[in-house]
Amino acid sequence: ELKVEQNPLFLSMQEGKNYTIYCNYSTTSDRLYWYRQDPGKSLESLFVLLSNGAVKQEGRLMASLDTKARLSTLHITAAVHDLSATYFCAPYTSGSRLTFGEGTQLTVNP
Amino acid sequence: DTAVSQTPKYLVTQMGNDKSIKCEQNLGHDTMYWYKQDSKKFLKIMFSYNNKELIINETVPNRFSPKSPDKAHLNLHINSLELGDSAVYFCASSGRTGYHEQYFGPGTRLTVT
Repeated sequence: ELKVEQNPLFLSMQEGKNYTIYCNYSTTSDRLYWYRQDPGKSLESLFVLLSNGAVKQEGRLMASLDTKARLSTLHITAAVHDLSATYFCAPYTSGSRLTFGEGTQLTVNP
Repeated sequence: DTAVSQTPKYLVTQMGNDKSIKCEQNLGHDTMYWYKQDSKKFLKIMFSYNNKELIINETVPNRFSPKSPDKAHLNLHINSLELGDSAVYFCASSGRTGYHEQYFGPGTRLTVT
């Protein structure tokens, strides 16, 4: 059974700072998704990482995938308050299955 | 245009009751899912249907029964509701082409009293 660990689970940071969220998973997966969830809202797809070494960037967020290390990272550059949300990683396994990490609750303080 | 819609958005009911949540997608996707998100935000897959055929059936109580009348709809019926069923239930869908990413509905917050 695929296990997914995110760390940290809670992250409080100041505006303008940089930080990285880590997503480790236990079995082989060649594809990984990152989602964002605002409080009381649904999940919104941020990134789809389709192969080893994939890197995607959108604004202040950059995601990468290392399938050999079974590791994905979500890097935040110069955080702003609007980035406050919970971020989930989800490796893909066969049968259209995504297994979600526990989520990283990010709070960006002025 | 709403891509994945769910009704109702909120559902408050008493223990022992039976309730249903409906989901519809207009994305033309073949695969639909039900997830449960608990109070700690942990998101767990419950069921998945591909073109009306059950393909994922996780270990959930058999009080939960999904039904897919067609590939655009996936409903969730819950019998004999228990306090522990209180959660947010999300429906999602994905297509066969592209990145296979899953698109989520707005969620149904179920509260069992």
